[in-house]
Amino acid sequence: QVQLVESGGGVVQSGKSLRLSCAASGFILNNYGIHWVRQAPGRGLEWVALIHFDGVTQHYADSVKGRFTISRDNSRNRVFLYITSPRAEDTALYYCARDMRVTVHSYFYGLDVWGQGTTVTVSS
Amino acid sequence: QSALTQPPSASGSPGQSVTISCTGTRTDFGDDNSVSWYQCHPGKAPKLVIYEVNKRPSGVPDRFSASKSGNTASLTVSGLQPEDEADYYCSSYTGTNSLMFGGGTKVTVL
Repeated sequence: QVQLVESGGGVVQSGKSLRLSCAASGFILNNYGIHWVRQAPGRGLEWVALIHFDGVTQHYADSVKGRFTISRDNSRNRVFLYITSPRAEDTALYYCARDMRVTVHSYFYGLDVWGQGTTVTVSS
Repeated sequence: QSALTQPPSASGSPGQSVTISCTGTRTDFGDDNSVSWYQCHPGKAPKLVIYEVNKRPSGVPDRFSASKSGNTASLTVSGLQPEDEADYYCSSYTGTNSLMFGGGTKVTVL
């Protein structure tokens, strides 16, 4: 069964850091780019970051650039999102999602597998 | 960059059709073929229903169709069924290594 499962969410204080994890199963993770997308309470979807299939290239939304880091460990079938210097506006449900294009460096044409999400709450 | 513009709500009776628009600027739609649509039910993972403007993933009913003309993309759900009641989001590649989502449309089946 092809699936992604996020974990690591919780309450984090401003100034602290948090690591989210995305575990893949049922497919070969290192063939795919993986995105993080978030949804703040009562708001719509917001793209956060992408890591290419080989882990060499990452891209970030302007709102998180310099504070978030996406990485991957293909040997462990996991992708991570490090959140540092969190702000109140980072409070959201964080999803990881698979880009449907295989083993290419051309992404953003469709995210075909999503996890259920993990919730991050930033407290001051 | 602002989100792509979608109507906040749309509705239809069972069996009817509903069409949702997604409007952006020329730069929002950085690639003419990158528009996708997602269905979101509360408490469930988002589901891809359309990719590359008008293609349906395996398992998505052909009641879901989509198109794009100029700076407006559209999703049509024909033969509305109760399970189609959900939030729908469009997305597009911006051309600068980022993805933009629309604000979302809540579809209600009357």
